[in-house]
Amino acid sequence: AQTVTQSQPEMSVQEAETVTLSCTYDTSESDYYLFWYKQPPSRQMILVIRQEAYKQQNATENRFSVNFQKAAKSFSLKISDSQLGDAAMYFCAYRGPISNFGNEKLTFGTGTRLTIIP
Amino acid sequence: DAGVIQSPRHEVTEMGQEVTLRCKPISGHDYLFWYRQTMMRGLELLIYFNNNVPIDDSGMPEDRFSAKMPNASFSTLKIQPSEPRDSAVYFCASRPGRTRVQFFGPGTRLTVL
Repeated sequence: AQTVTQSQPEMSVQEAETVTLSCTYDTSESDYYLFWYKQPPSRQMILVIRQEAYKQQNATENRFSVNFQKAAKSFSLKISDSQLGDAAMYFCAYRGPISNFGNEKLTFGTGTRLTIIP
Repeated sequence: DAGVIQSPRHEVTEMGQEVTLRCKPISGHDYLFWYRQTMMRGLELLIYFNNNVPIDDSGMPEDRFSAKMPNASFSTLKIQPSEPRDSAVYFCASRPGRTRVQFFGPGTRLTVL
C-alpha cells in the first residue's frame, strides 16, 4: 500500500523568508500524481500545487514550488517570501496511476503545521 | 463558481441519533468524494462516486455509514446510529473528469455526545 510521510509535525519561519516542507512517499508505481494541500484554521482544504510523476520539470505556482526527486521518492514544498496568510497545516498527498480506473484514492500525509513569525 | 457546498457546517448530536451530512459538488464535476478527518487517523477516503454511481466504498467504516448520490448535484452521508467515535470533520470533494485535482468543501464538524 502507498504511504505518505511528513516527518515535520511543525515548522516556523520568519515573514518574508523561505521555508521548505518535506514529504516522502512509498510506491511501486511509475506513474502517479502528487499534491500539496493547505488547510488554514477555516478548515478548508485548498490545493497549493500538483506534480505529475512523468514530468521531470518541477511544478511552480507563484511563491510555491516543489522539489520532486522521483528516484528518492521525495516531494518537498518550498514557500518563498512567506506571508502571514501562509500559516496553515500543509498536507502532502499521493494519487495512483491514471491508467487504473477506480484508483481515485488520495493518500494523505499527517501534515505539517506552519507558523509564520511576524 | 460557488465551490463545493456542505451543510451543516457544524453538527452536535447525541449518541444513537441519525445524522445526515449534505454535499453539493461543483457543477459539471463527474466525481464526488467523502473524506473523514480525525486526529488519530488523519484524512481518510470513505467513498467516492463517478457519475452518481458508487465506485469504491471500501473506506466506509461500518454498516452504520451509508452514502447516496441521487443526482449530479447532491450527495448525502448518513450515520445511523451515531456513536461518539464518529466525531470528526467530514469533507466532501469533487473533481471534473478531465483533471486529477480534487476540490474540497469547507467540511462539516460532527460532534457526537
